[in-house]
Amino acid sequence: ELKVEQNPLFLSMQEGKNYTIYCNYSTTSDRLYWYRQDPGKSLESLFVLLSNGAVKQEGRLMASLDTKARLSTLHITAAVHDLSATYFCAVVHLSLYGGATNKLIFGTGTLLAVQP
Amino acid sequence: GAGVSQSPSNKVTEKGKDVELRCDPISGHTALYWYRQSLGQGLEFLIYFQGNSAPDKSGLPSDRFSAERTGGSVSTLTIQRTQQEDSAVYLCASSRGWDYEQYFGPGTRLTVT
Repeated sequence: ELKVEQNPLFLSMQEGKNYTIYCNYSTTSDRLYWYRQDPGKSLESLFVLLSNGAVKQEGRLMASLDTKARLSTLHITAAVHDLSATYFCAVVHLSLYGGATNKLIFGTGTLLAVQP
Repeated sequence: GAGVSQSPSNKVTEKGKDVELRCDPISGHTALYWYRQSLGQGLEFLIYFQGNSAPDKSGLPSDRFSAERTGGSVSTLTIQRTQQEDSAVYLCASSRGWDYEQYFGPGTRLTVT
């Protein structure tokens, strides 16, 4: 059974600092997503990572994927208050025979609070 | 263009009553998904429709939960004899196909009293 773990669960940062959120998953997958969720809002897609070594950057956020280690990271550079939100990673579930199902298995989420 | 829409945005119901939650996917999207977000369980997959194929119901937590998708578009998630543990935000998503990125709706917050 595919399990996805994120850490930390809660992250309080000061503006201007750097930090990394980690996402580990337990079985092989061929796709990983990062989403942002603001309080009371739905999920906003940030990144789709498709292959080993993939790196994507948007503004102060950079995501990477290591499929061999089954690990993705979301790195925050010089945090600003606007980045305060909950961040989820989600991994595509593969069927018993290795086919993609497009069923997303989500991590626990990381609540990021950026303090001025 | 229009995104995924869901209705109602909030629903309060008494324990034991049935509820129906509606999802309108993005036009042209052939795949539709339901997820549930609750404090205790996080974000969980419930059910997935792709075109005319039989839906993947593997995430439905009990036989009180069912879903339909009519005409390959609108979907309704029905919860019968609601229980307090059904209280959650129910999110719908759609994608162009089974192998494409999912776009999420705003969710329906269900509260069972």
